[in-house]
Amino acid sequence: DQQVKQNSPSLSVQEGRISILNCDYTNSMFDYFLWYKKYPAEGPTFLISISSIKDKNEDGRFTVFLNKSAKHLSLHIVPSQPGDSAVYFCAAYSGYSTLTFGKGTMLLVSP
Amino acid sequence: GAGVSQTPSNKVTEKGKYVELRCDPISGHTALYWYRQSLGQGPEFLIYFQGTGAADDSGLPNDRFFAVRPEGSVSTLKIQRTERGDSAVYLCASSSQDGDTQYFGPGTRLTVL
Repeated sequence: DQQVKQNSPSLSVQEGRISILNCDYTNSMFDYFLWYKKYPAEGPTFLISISSIKDKNEDGRFTVFLNKSAKHLSLHIVPSQPGDSAVYFCAAYSGYSTLTFGKGTMLLVSP
Repeated sequence: GAGVSQTPSNKVTEKGKYVELRCDPISGHTALYWYRQSLGQGPEFLIYFQGTGAADDSGLPNDRFFAVRPEGSVSTLKIQRTERGDSAVYLCASSSQDGDTQYFGPGTRLTVL
């Protein structure tokens, strides 16, 4: 039973456009959410996070939105750049110290 | 500063053998985590250390898996009687304290033939 779901295995976007990556969760105890980016043969790199008491957090080109009632969060990247091409993982804490990850979405940004 | 390091980067072993995977966390980080990532999946939690003690080992799949962190810094994940299904990338992460952002190492790719 997957508690964090990323239903799109891949996404293709043109350079300069907006990339929107989606994530749904089922565990209402999750109270802190993170996005990680992963390049091949490297470990996941922390990108941005959001607490459940907020509905938006922004850091440069990256914005994460949280809709608690829908148990949904999304990562917006604008403008997208070819260097953003990677696998993006959504992850969540439930007040404990272990992260629950989604399966990831592979983003391809073409020039 | 130095990030999380893991050795070896690749390990190929035969079914039934014993392997050890090492993780060196970011200096000063008290919390250390092990995850396993199989092909097409996200990382899955194995075990979490706070200092020298295992605070949560509920993710270890069975008693062939064991991890230690004797001095509260470097950790070793030990797998006995390896099986082909153990083939995966084993990731280590550390954080400055419980619940903080976790920073990952590059992983060890384990292949059991």
